[in-house]
Amino acid sequence: GEDVEQSLFLSVREGDSSVINCTYTDSSSTYLYWYKQEPGAGLQLLTYIFSNMDMKQDQRLTVLLNKKDKHLSLRIADTQTGDSAIYFCAESPFTGTASKLTFGTGTRLQVTL
Amino acid sequence: DGGITQSPKYLFRKEGQNVTLSCEQNLNHDAMYWYRQDPGQGLRLIYYSQIVNDFQKGDIAEGYSVSREKKESFPLTVTSAQKNPTAFYLCASSKGTSGMRVDEQFFGPGTRLTVL
Repeated sequence: GEDVEQSLFLSVREGDSSVINCTYTDSSSTYLYWYKQEPGAGLQLLTYIFSNMDMKQDQRLTVLLNKKDKHLSLRIADTQTGDSAIYFCAESPFTGTASKLTFGTGTRLQVTL
Repeated sequence: DGGITQSPKYLFRKEGQNVTLSCEQNLNHDAMYWYRQDPGQGLRLIYYSQIVNDFQKGDIAEGYSVSREKKESFPLTVTSAQKNPTAFYLCASSKGTSGMRVDEQFFGPGTRLTVL
């Protein structure tokens, strides 16, 4: 079945850039997503990228996709303390009427002063 | 305000009891989902429903049951057959898509279930 992997923890200093990495195995993925989860809360979609793109930029966020290596990354520029959270990547094949997401294990981002 | 509500936020039950978690959305979404979250394991899909009166098993459906009698509601029952029910449960909904369009899932705040 599909498998999505992430490192569990990342610590960065405020103002630095953060890079969170993700690898996936399903070559039929159509969309790849980045979600953010703050403590004790649900997930919030940050950004997504279609599988025929290799980069997407949205304000402080940059997503890079290497489809050959099945590697996805999320770069957060000028990281702030409010960015401290768990970040999940997720992939979705085209399944018809419902997006059946497979999530990674999540990367906990800690931002220090 | 449109959104997804889950209740209660915290739930305690004795071992061997069935318990039902509520999920309601007023986003007029066709698709709804239930996930389980355990530390270090990400989210795993329990059940999903693409339309009213229809639902499919996800990756870890054993010990759980759902119903989808109304578009707005997708309750999850954790039965006594679920061997390790203590977890954080997240409900989500999406418009559903029949084409190659992104289908954003919107999440509720979650219910933390502790079985004593």
